[in-house]
Order: sequence, then structure tokens, then C-alpha cells
Amino acid sequence: QLQLQESGPGLVKPSETLSLTCTVSGASIVSSNYYWGWIRQPPGKGLEWIGSMSYTANINYNPSLKSRITISVDTSGNQFFLRLSSVTAEDTAVYYCARIKTIYWGAKGTAWIDPWGPGTLVTVSS
Amino acid sequence: QSALTQPASVSGSPGQSITISCTGTSSDIGDYNYVSWYQQHPGKAPKLIIYDVGLRPSGVSNRFSGSKSGNTASLTISGLQTEDEADYYCISYTSSVTAVVFGGGTKLTVL
Repeated sequence: QLQLQESGPGLVKPSETLSLTCTVSGASIVSSNYYWGWIRQPPGKGLEWIGSMSYTANINYNPSLKSRITISVDTSGNQFFLRLSSVTAEDTAVYYCARIKTIYWGAKGTAWIDPWGPGTLVTVSS
Repeated sequence: QSALTQPASVSGSPGQSITISCTGTSSDIGDYNYVSWYQQHPGKAPKLIIYDVGLRPSGVSNRFSGSKSGNTASLTISGLQTEDEADYYCISYTSSVTAVVFGGGTKLTVL
């Protein structure tokens, strides 16, 4: 059974870099039909797309966050990562990692998202 | 502001049916059959309940169904149960640069 688990600091200071790891178990991250991505949810608000990456390092970033995001993949460790730089209080959110089914082989277009990790709350505060 | 428009809230009584709409454009819902729906209970991760407009993943109740007409997709829940009380989100493929758009979410209250 495929499972994803986020890990990383729960508290980050303003202007610093948020770093999260998603560990995938139950299946290999090496697949041409899937991307691996990050979605966040500010407290009491809706879901926001952050970005995703294929195991071959093709990326798909939210344009509004693109200048601050780095997503990377470690195929040997079956993990992928998120780095978000220059954080502010507006980056406080629950961060979810997830598997993204693409619309066709090798494409970046999202067909559906499943499964999701349980999420991790990251608070930006001094 | 979300790219897909959902009602902020809907409500229904146990046993009734409700429908949640998700309105997009010809760049997403109107031209592609890659609409998915997610159920999120408080403090939990979203769960996929409908994909490719109207298909249910294994294990999801057949009380959940999805459809599409023009630029609007719909999620129908029949035979409402108290455990259906949750937030529901729609997501669609889009031909724009992001290749994915999200709805703002709908809170379902079972009275």
C-alpha cells in the first residue's frame, strides 16, 4: 500500500528557508505516469498548489511561488523534497505531499492526486 | 481567488441528496475530462473520491457520483450520512501553464 509521510521543522523564522521531506513507501518513486508534488493549506483556508516534479526532474511550479520554490527528488532514497525560501507569515500552512497522476505518460498535467500524506503544520514566526 | 468556483457551503438532512457544483472555463473543465473531487474531514488530509469526472476509486461509496456539463462539474452525494459532513474540493487539468486548477472548497453540513 502506497503511503507518503512529510517531515521537517514545524517552526521557521521569517526570511529563512522552509525545508520539507516526503518519504514514499510501498511503491517506487520511479514512474513515468506520476509526478510527486506539494500542496499547502493555510489555517482555515482552501488548498493551494505549490508544485511537482517527475523522477526525471521535469518540474511544474505554481507561477506565484516559482521564484522561491525548489522541488527535488532522490530516487535512491525514494524521497522528494520542498524548499521554500524567504518565508513570511503568509507561508504558515499545513503542507501536504502527494502523488500526482498525469494525464498521459511523461506529461505534467494533473489528472488526479492520490494518495496524500497526513500533512505537517509549518508555522512561520520569530 | 480560486480558478474553479464552488459554493462556500451546502447543507442537507440525513437521507437526502445534495449536489456541489464546480465551475471553470473552456480551458479546463469545458474541454477536458480530468476533473477530480476530494473529501476533507477536519484535521485530515484530502481523500480522492471521484476522478476523471465520474469514476470512483476502489473503496469509495457508490453514494458519491460525479458528472459534467459544459464548463461545470458536479458532485452528487445521495443518501446523506452524518459522516459525509466535510469540506469538498474539485480539481481540474488546465491547458494553462500550471496544468492544474483548484476549487475554493465547499463545506457540507448534514443537519
